[in-house]
Amino acid sequence: KQEVTQIPAALSVPEGENLVLNCSFTDSAIYNLQWFRQDPGKGLTSLLLIQSSQREQTSGRLNASLDKSSGRSTLYIAASQPGDSATYLCAVRVYNTDKLIFGTGTRLQVFP
Amino acid sequence: GAGVSQSPRYKVAKRGQDVALRCDPISGHVSLFWYQQALGQGPEFLTYFQNEAQLDKSGLPSDRFFAERPEGSVSTLKIQRTQQEDSAVYLCASSFRTQNTGELFFGEGSRLTVL
Repeated sequence: KQEVTQIPAALSVPEGENLVLNCSFTDSAIYNLQWFRQDPGKGLTSLLLIQSSQREQTSGRLNASLDKSSGRSTLYIAASQPGDSATYLCAVRVYNTDKLIFGTGTRLQVFP
Repeated sequence: GAGVSQSPRYKVAKRGQDVALRCDPISGHVSLFWYQQALGQGPEFLTYFQNEAQLDKSGLPSDRFFAERPEGSVSTLKIQRTQQEDSAVYLCASSFRTQNTGELFFGEGSRLTVL
């Protein structure tokens, strides 16, 4: 059974720091991995989608990498800002099914 | 529409009542998913549609939960005889592609509170 773990569960940093959020999954048979952002009381906003054949994706200050063989992904946030404060969720699309399996998220707070 | 739209945003139900939650996917999106998110947890898969066909309902927690998408667009998640453990945010997502490589776009969710 696919399990997704995110470390750390919570993170509080001063503005301007570069951050790394970690996601690990137990079964490498995936189609893709997607990183989401969730603000309190809101839905999920897609940040980056990495197909299983890709190693990384970049969007602005965000860079996500995928090492399928070791079951790991990292989300790198450069020059963090208070507006980055949110919960970040990673999810894998399980091979031979249509399901996204989510981690429990990393709650990020960036203070001025 | 521009994004996935869900209604109602908030619903309070007395235990035993039936509720219906609506999802309007992005126009043209073939795939539609329902997820349940408990407080402090990641979303959990409930069910999946491709057009009007419900291809996977393995995540529905009991036979009190029922989902439909009769015309391959709008979907409704119905919960009968609600229980307190049904309290959660119910998220709907849609995807353009039928292949499993498509990106999912989520709505803002319907927060259900069962008293």
